[in-house]
Amino acid sequence: GAVVSQHPSRVICKSGTSVKIECRSLDFQATTMFWYRQFPKKSLMLMATSNEGSKATYEQGVEKDKFLINHASLTLSTLTVTSAHPEDSSFYICSARTGGGDTDTQYFGPGTRLTVL
Amino acid sequence: GQNIDQPTEMTATEGAIVQINCTYQTSGFNGLFWYQQHAGEAPTFLSYNVLDGLEEKGRFSSFLSRSKGYSYLLLKELQMKDSASYLCAVMDSNYQLIWGAGTKLIIKP
Repeated sequence: GAVVSQHPSRVICKSGTSVKIECRSLDFQATTMFWYRQFPKKSLMLMATSNEGSKATYEQGVEKDKFLINHASLTLSTLTVTSAHPEDSSFYICSARTGGGDTDTQYFGPGTRLTVL
Repeated sequence: GQNIDQPTEMTATEGAIVQINCTYQTSGFNGLFWYQQHAGEAPTFLSYNVLDGLEEKGRFSSFLSRSKGYSYLLLKELQMKDSASYLCAVMDSNYQLIWGAGTKLIIKP
């Protein structure tokens, strides 16, 4: 089946630094990619939706200047957490959707665990 | 390799009971999650099992057998709003999530 990868799988950084997380669809072209944040034993919180070549659509309450999303190609989207603070520590998950309409399928990445000291 | 298997699609009748199975082969195990996802929406957390046995939460129950690499999600008294995709995901020894492809559940009146 389709595979979505994320890199890095885990990262520890100091407060105030920026961290970039990559999301790649390995064997298909993703028309749309999603970025989620997972809280322990909670639902995945959708942060933003990105379409290749256009600006990302952010959910209410998500700071677009803090969480920069770039969807440069049909196989790669990046999330940059700028000036990270301890409260940004979380598990970030991306997903990629292929196709369109009723036939589209969403594939999830393995997640990236961010710890901000 | 790591693998999660669940049926692609299931159909059930309103008011009935349905069981969605999930089998897994992963490098290590740090818990199994079930999520519900309605079309166009973010997945909603349903359950987390890390020990063997059955966990009941209202109409939904989740069962885990680590020795068999097997889990199921049991939905009782089905309602039309339960029509959705149900995702099984296992957290491996590196705390990475391995996702199943999801089971599309269709509820008929």
